[in-house]
Amino acid sequence: EVQLVQSGAEVKKPGESLKISCKGSGYSFTSYWIAWVRQMPGKGLEWMGIIYPRDSDTRYSPPFQGQVTISVDKSISTAYLQWSSLKASDTAMYYCARQSAVAAGDYWGQGTLVTVSS
Amino acid sequence: EIVMTQSPASLSVSPGERATLSCRASQSVSSNLAWYQQKPGQAPRLLIYSASTRATGIPARFSGSGSGTEFTLTISSLQSEDFAVYYCQQYNNWPLLTFGGGTKVEIK
Repeated sequence: EVQLVQSGAEVKKPGESLKISCKGSGYSFTSYWIAWVRQMPGKGLEWMGIIYPRDSDTRYSPPFQGQVTISVDKSISTAYLQWSSLKASDTAMYYCARQSAVAAGDYWGQGTLVTVSS
Repeated sequence: EIVMTQSPASLSVSPGERATLSCRASQSVSSNLAWYQQKPGQAPRLLIYSASTRATGIPARFSGSGSGTEFTLTISSLQSEDFAVYYCQQYNNWPLLTFGGGTKVEIK
């Protein structure tokens, strides 16, 4: 069974750093891209960026370039999304999703809620 | 960047009726278009990919059509579990992807 399991909810203060994770199982992790998607409270889905675990090829949506870093450790089938200095506006639910050029985003993680508040 | 525009933003439909949702791309995305359903408190779920192919386990009442810049998701007879927000996503500009703003389907 294909699964993407994300790390748990986080509460952070502005200026703090954070790294959340997405662990894949039940399929060849290096054969599919992993995307990260933001959903701010009461808002729609925003595509942040994507990484190919086989060679770590990474692309970012322009609004998120330089604001976050996407990485992967293929030895443990895990993708990451990190911030070096959080802002209150980073408060959102973050989803990872397996993506392919054929079947789009066919499997999603359960989401990680990030709350940034002083 | 390809911009995806969904209409209407919200739609009120009675159970058993048909719902028609639209998605327009700012440039051609061929048939590289997916539809997702999201219910409150849940992750999105893939309904349709390649514009018209139902994902595994998706009921036949969901159908997708279109190519190029104009796409439609039709729910032939709305069930109570279908009231949700629906998003389109283009993946023609692979691996750069974009979502539409969503259409909320509400009970009339």
